[in-house]
Amino acid sequence: NAGVTQTPKFQVLKTGQSMTLQCAQDMNHEYMSWYRQDPGMGLRLIHYSVGAGITDQGEVPNGYNVSRSTTEDFPLRLLSAAPSQTSVYFCASKGALNTEAFFGQGTRLTVV
Amino acid sequence: GEDVEQSLFLSVREGDSSVINCTYTDSSSTYLYWYKQEPGAGLQLLTYIFSNMDMKQDQRLTVLLNKKDKHLSLRIADTQTGDSAIYFCAESTKTSYDKVIFGPGTSLSVIP
Repeated sequence: NAGVTQTPKFQVLKTGQSMTLQCAQDMNHEYMSWYRQDPGMGLRLIHYSVGAGITDQGEVPNGYNVSRSTTEDFPLRLLSAAPSQTSVYFCASKGALNTEAFFGQGTRLTVV
Repeated sequence: GEDVEQSLFLSVREGDSSVINCTYTDSSSTYLYWYKQEPGAGLQLLTYIFSNMDMKQDQRLTVLLNKKDKHLSLRIADTQTGDSAIYFCAESTKTSYDKVIFGPGTSLSVIP
């Protein structure tokens, strides 16, 4: 039981490049979310999903796309990276009957 | 809208009690959480409280909730150097059970 697994752990991109941050959970959780963490701003919700095939925007969705084709996976896509997207990204999952959200270890992204 | 506020820094001496405070704006909050983030790691749930409770105690941790003032606090008794971390207050509501909204985090430094 690995919990929530994020890859990669570190990434450097050039402005304008695209990439996908991977997130997978093996707990059969319905809810999955992506957050970005910036100093002094806590975690801000980017996108979330309440189940396979369903996604919705969070607080800061611009510049990011998501899809949820399976219960296990919730990838986050940056279509054209910008320096403002330099951040630490966390994926989280939660079961419908659970109160606790489980977090991955984070992906530290730098856009130069 | 939903907003969660915390002071950003707290410094205490080892063995003293730490009190981390949080205020929130959403009166329909159902669950209020305290998460801990150690350096370079993801977030771990420390404790949570339902909105119909005033207090919850769990070993060295005491959570107090003042619903009238929308104020939440976390008290750590006999603070140890291993308690040095960032502590996030967070809330979720019945209408958005799948979304957890975080405060900016309080960085706790424990002085030996």
